[in-house]
Amino acid sequence: DAGVIQSPRHEVTEMGQEVTLRCKPISGHNSLFWYRQTMMRGLELLIYFNNNVPIDDSGMPEDRFSAKMPNASFSTLKIQPSEPRDSAVYFCASSFSRTSGDTGELFFGEGSRLTVL
Amino acid sequence: DQQVKQNSPSLSVQEGRISILNCDYTNSMFDYFLWYKKYPAEGPTFLISISSIKDKNEDGRFTVFLNKSAKHLSLHIVPSQPGDSAVYFCAALASANAGGTSYGKLTFGQGTILTVHP
Repeated sequence: DAGVIQSPRHEVTEMGQEVTLRCKPISGHNSLFWYRQTMMRGLELLIYFNNNVPIDDSGMPEDRFSAKMPNASFSTLKIQPSEPRDSAVYFCASSFSRTSGDTGELFFGEGSRLTVL
Repeated sequence: DQQVKQNSPSLSVQEGRISILNCDYTNSMFDYFLWYKKYPAEGPTFLISISSIKDKNEDGRFTVFLNKSAKHLSLHIVPSQPGDSAVYFCAALASANAGGTSYGKLTFGQGTILTVHP
């Protein structure tokens, strides 16, 4: 079975450029999460979707960040304009939540390492 | 506001000895706790979990202990093996909610780098 697929694996861009990260969750999963990993704060939840609907975007750092999930098999995280402090590894994860409050195990992708020069 | 804290950035242990990774939390609504393991260039993978109704959960070489009064949990690995060398993340979940919108939302700590020497 294919796991969570993220692209690109590595992205190097210049400050001010637009960055789009992509994620394909595991088929059948109904929840999708975007996390950012930094040395100081570990894994921070940016936003998560349930049944393609954004549930909580309180972790999105600024208006420069936006995320969409147009269908059950695809999500994007966009940063525009990008800044050097956005450099981090961005993880997408998916799970199957049977009910609200379910402790469904998260399955992570391999991450997208972003470097903004 | 870091609700889940792993105060030790790194831990070095000899092969065969015990590894103890610690985690503290501040949110009293957390009632389910998980440990994830991450190798370089890979995503985190689930390792072991514990519900707040228990104080211990064991799975092979891995045991998680929960002290609710101290808001503290720990992961014990016995015996430690070189293949256990990875970053370990503690995570917490408040499964009970008023609005029905938890959906497995995990709060992670900063991670602890474990190195097991042969």
